[in-house]
Amino acid sequence: GAVVSQHPSWVICKSGTSVKIECRSLDFQATTMFWYRQFPKQSLMLMATSNEGSKATYEQGVEKDKFLINHASLTLSTLTVTSAHPEDSSFYICSAKNIGSYGYTFGSGTRLTVV
Amino acid sequence: EDQVTQSPEALRLQEGESSSLNCSYTVSGLRGLFWYRQDPGKGPEFLFTLYSAGEEKEKERLKATLTKKESFLHITAPKPEDSATYLCAVQALSAGGTSYGKLTFGQGTILTVHP
Repeated sequence: GAVVSQHPSWVICKSGTSVKIECRSLDFQATTMFWYRQFPKQSLMLMATSNEGSKATYEQGVEKDKFLINHASLTLSTLTVTSAHPEDSSFYICSAKNIGSYGYTFGSGTRLTVV
Repeated sequence: EDQVTQSPEALRLQEGESSSLNCSYTVSGLRGLFWYRQDPGKGPEFLFTLYSAGEEKEKERLKATLTKKESFLHITAPKPEDSATYLCAVQALSAGGTSYGKLTFGQGTILTVHP
C-alpha cells in the first residue's frame, strides 16, 4: 500500500533555531501534500496545503513566514519551523494525496519540543 | 463552514462489548467521509472512505455506515488491541463542484477496551 515516510519522528531544539521536517511518498506520486498540527488530546488542524511546484496555501491564522513549506517534487515536501519558540511545540503530521487514486496517506508524525 | 462533531469524546468498553461511534457532519456538498484510527504518538491510519448515503463498508470487527447527516462506526466484539482514537473527517466539494482536497476532522473518540 501507499507509504509516506516522515522524518524525524521526534526533535528537540533550542528556542530561536529552525527545524526542518521531511515528508516523502515512497511508492506513489503525491499531487498535493497537507501539513497538520495536533495538540495533546485534540484533533488534527490543517496548517497548509501544498501542490508540487506551487506556493503553499496557508489556513487562516497560520504564519506563512514562520512555517515554510516546500513541495519541490511529486515525492517530497518539507516543513521548516523558523525561529522556533516553546509555543511551537506540538505534533506535526503530513498527508499526501495519491495522484493515481482517491486516497490520503498520513506520515507517522514528528514530535517537536522547543526548549 | 464545514463542521464535524464526534461523540462520545471517550468510550470505555469491556472486551466483547459491541458499541458504536458517531460522526455528525455539516458540509455544503460531500465528496467523501473518512474514518481513521490513530494510536498515541502515531499518524492516522486509514480505515474507510464512504461516498454516498446508504453506503456501508466492513473490515474485521469494524463497520462504517453513512447517512446524509452522520456516519457510524460500529465495533463488534472489540478486543483490547482496538483501543485507539478514532477520527472522522469529511472532504467537501468546492463551490464549483470539483474536489479541493482539504479534509476537515472531528475531535475524535478515544476508545479503550478493557480485557
